[in-house]
Amino acid sequence: GIQVEQSPPDLILQEGANSTLRCNFSDSVNNLQWFHQNPWGQLINLFYIPSGTKQNGRLSATTVATERYSLLYISSSQTTDSGVYFCAVMSGGAQKLVFGQGTRLTINP
Amino acid sequence: KAGVTQTPRYLIKTRGQQVTLSCSPISGHRSVSWYQQTPGQGLQFLFEYFSETQRNKGNFPGRFSGRQFSNSRSEMNVSTLELGDSALYLCASSQGIRGYTFGSGTRLTVV
Repeated sequence: GIQVEQSPPDLILQEGANSTLRCNFSDSVNNLQWFHQNPWGQLINLFYIPSGTKQNGRLSATTVATERYSLLYISSSQTTDSGVYFCAVMSGGAQKLVFGQGTRLTINP
Repeated sequence: KAGVTQTPRYLIKTRGQQVTLSCSPISGHRSVSWYQQTPGQGLQFLFEYFSETQRNKGNFPGRFSGRQFSNSRSEMNVSTLELGDSALYLCASSQGIRGYTFGSGTRLTVV
């Protein structure tokens, strides 16, 4: 099946810094989503982005489908951005998300 | 509108017992899927239901089962619990393949 790799596994930054999270996938996808898992365990959908670029406030994402990677940018980080960020993809006809292992982001005040 | 509701939030069970978890999707969403999250294996797909039919199934033993009712609410059942079944179980609802909305999860501890 399709493989999803995220990097880096851990990222520690000071408040106000910018960050870039990467997601590589091994096959063509028809769905790619970025999620933020809050400290209580809930996955919050950030972007649905199988290709192209989207922005939402301080967050933006770019997926280059032909090169099989996606990037999540967080600008002017805040402590509330801390948590684990997951990339998840869907490939072929099966309606199931395959998740990467996540990037744990820690923003220190 | 209300989000995805999972009950209970926390559960402690003994090895060998069975457990039933519940998920109420967003109104109008007909697809409900379940995921298991553990520190070792990460987030793994269990199964997906659409209009009361299981459309997709992950690579889990037959002890894991589910169903969906006519109002789209879904339940998953784990029989003969093992210590390794301790996990956060997440349910998601969606319309099509876009925009998955997850519930807060049920944290199951097997002792």
